Amino acid sequence: AQSVSQHNHHVILSEAASLELGCNYSYGGTVNLFWYVQYPGQHLQLLLKYFSGDPLVKGIKGFEAEFIKSKFSFNLRKPSVQWSDTAEYFCAVNARVDSGGYQKVTFGTGTKLQVIP
Amino acid sequence: NAGVMQNPRHLVRRRGQEARLRCSPVKGHSHVYWYRQLPEEGLKFMVYLQKENIIDESGMPKERFSAEFPKEGPSILRIQQVVRGDSAAYFCASSPGITASRGSPLHFGNGTRLTVT
Repeated sequence: AQSVSQHNHHVILSEAASLELGCNYSYGGTVNLFWYVQYPGQHLQLLLKYFSGDPLVKGIKGFEAEFIKSKFSFNLRKPSVQWSDTAEYFCAVNARVDSGGYQKVTFGTGTKLQVIP
Repeated sequence: NAGVMQNPRHLVRRRGQEARLRCSPVKGHSHVYWYRQLPEEGLKFMVYLQKENIIDESGMPKERFSAEFPKEGPSILRIQQVVRGDSAAYFCASSPGITASRGSPLHFGNGTRLTVT
């Protein structure tokens, strides 16, 4: 079964610091990868997605992520964070369920980012 | 351009009562997912439904929980005889499921926060 690991549960940064959140997944087949963000009290919103092609994906609000197939990783980065980036970030993998022939989305446990002004 | 609509936003139930959570997907989306979010545990997959069919319910507790997505009307997640441990945020997501290989991103609702007293 597919699984997603996010190594950092809670990250605290000062404004203007650079950000990198780790995400590793376990699945041997073709995957689609996503990062979602959840601002306090709100629902999840899509930050960026990888389907195919260029492994460096750019999303909204200056975020980017790099798909490294050999490492089964899809780390999220931002060169300079802002206070408004304070939120919880979820990595997700969409992969085919072998026994069922359908797609299933699995989420990591999330990383809470706190940006200090 | 209505997104995924969930209601109610907040639901308070006493132990032993029934909770019914509703989800109307994005217009035209025929795939619905339910996730449960507990603090420090991220998003846990519960069930994946297409119209009138349960595709994957591997994340649903075997007892007291059920889900449906009828031909007409919203998807319903029902929890019978609620217990305190059922208190959580329940999120619904939908996707068009255009092709199995593309893995369309999920669109999330605002969630229903269930509190069992």
